[in-house]
Amino acid sequence: SAVISQKPSRDICQRGTSLTIQCQVDSQVTMMFWYRQQPGQSLTLIATANQGSEATYESGFVIDKFPISRPNLTFSTLTVSNMSPEDSSIYLCSAGQGNYGYTFGSGTRLTVV
Amino acid sequence: DAKTTQPPSMDCAEGRAANLPCNHSTISGNEYVYWYRQIHSQGPQYIIHGLKNNETNEMASLIITEDRKSSTLILPHATLRDTAVYYCIVRVVDDMRFGAGTRLTVKP
Repeated sequence: SAVISQKPSRDICQRGTSLTIQCQVDSQVTMMFWYRQQPGQSLTLIATANQGSEATYESGFVIDKFPISRPNLTFSTLTVSNMSPEDSSIYLCSAGQGNYGYTFGSGTRLTVV
Repeated sequence: DAKTTQPPSMDCAEGRAANLPCNHSTISGNEYVYWYRQIHSQGPQYIIHGLKNNETNEMASLIITEDRKSSTLILPHATLRDTAVYYCIVRVVDDMRFGAGTRLTVKP
């Protein structure tokens, strides 16, 4: 299965600024997903990112707030824009191929102050 | 619109089998059943998946009922390191939504 390198692992950011999270996969994958996980909660899907097409966002998440890039089959970024304290959370990416089990990054712990 | 229902928590004695149930009564014919677990502060880890038949790998066994409306994940000899939140997901290729999961605590 694919191995994912996600960075940064954590960051403390000022409100009103933006943070870009990167996910690098060690093999070519069709599907990549971005999630948010708040303390003590399950994972909430933000968007699905397929190479060569626009990301598909879940209800409650918009492109202006969470722009996603997927320039090739091994890399994706998620930007958290114009941050507020409510954006403090763990952000995770996942990648995989077909019906196989997907791999997750180790997460980015974001604190907005 | 959760597709799966799992008990919120379970306990298991170390060395015993842990049987984690999942109900997915609205599963479609082309949806697979996947299990992941998340150990505290780590990203979720894939465990096993299946469509109709029972499956076994080095980590666990997956038992799917004949009508496919429920399944059970079996950890045959639970250890303290198996303490985690276990997620059952039904999906086709482009749909990876997590429910609340079951928090399994393995006790000495």
